[in-house]
Amino acid sequence: AQSVTQLGSHVSVSEGALVLLRCNYSSSVPPYLFWYVQYPNQGLQLLLKYTTGATLVKGINGFEAEFKKSETSFHLTKPSAHMSDAAEYFCAVSTTGGTSYGKLTFGQGTILTVHP
Amino acid sequence: EAGVAQSPRYKIIEKRQSVAFWCNPISGHATLYWYQQILGQGPKLLIQFQNNGVVDDSQLPKDRFSAERLKGVDSTLKIQPAKLEDSAVYLCASSSSPAPRLDTQYFGPGTRLTVL
Repeated sequence: AQSVTQLGSHVSVSEGALVLLRCNYSSSVPPYLFWYVQYPNQGLQLLLKYTTGATLVKGINGFEAEFKKSETSFHLTKPSAHMSDAAEYFCAVSTTGGTSYGKLTFGQGTILTVHP
Repeated sequence: EAGVAQSPRYKIIEKRQSVAFWCNPISGHATLYWYQQILGQGPKLLIQFQNNGVVDDSQLPKDRFSAERLKGVDSTLKIQPAKLEDSAVYLCASSSSPAPRLDTQYFGPGTRLTVL
């Protein structure tokens, strides 16, 4: 079975500061990993994903994440926070085979607050 | 390109009543997912369709939940009878295929259900 743990249900940063949202996963097979963002009253939007190849993945809105197999981590970062980044962020892992191929298992989410 | 459409956006019912949600995926998307998102948690997959066939419904409470995808396009999710613990946001997502390396799941805005 696969699982995702997001460390910290709430993260608060100042505008212009580094954003770091932590995600650790558990998977018995090489995982596909995702970060989604959810703005209030909206659906989830894909920020970035890791499937194969380069372990540093760049996404939309200046976010990036690094897949570290030895640490089973996929932390999300952004060098400089903007007020518009305030939202809830979800890390997810996907099954890569079997009858549940494509199924996403999500972490519990991290709410990012950005202060002026 | 139109996104995933869901209706209604909000629904309030009393326990033991019935409710139905509707989803229209992105045109041409063969794979459709229903997720349940309880407040403070990440989305949990309820059911996955490939065209009009069910791929995974292992986490669907089949004694009260049912879903169908007629003609492989629109889908409905029904709860009968509803319980208090069914209060959640129900998200519909679609993708061209279930292959996460190749395709992205696109999410609708969700239906917020409150059971009183």
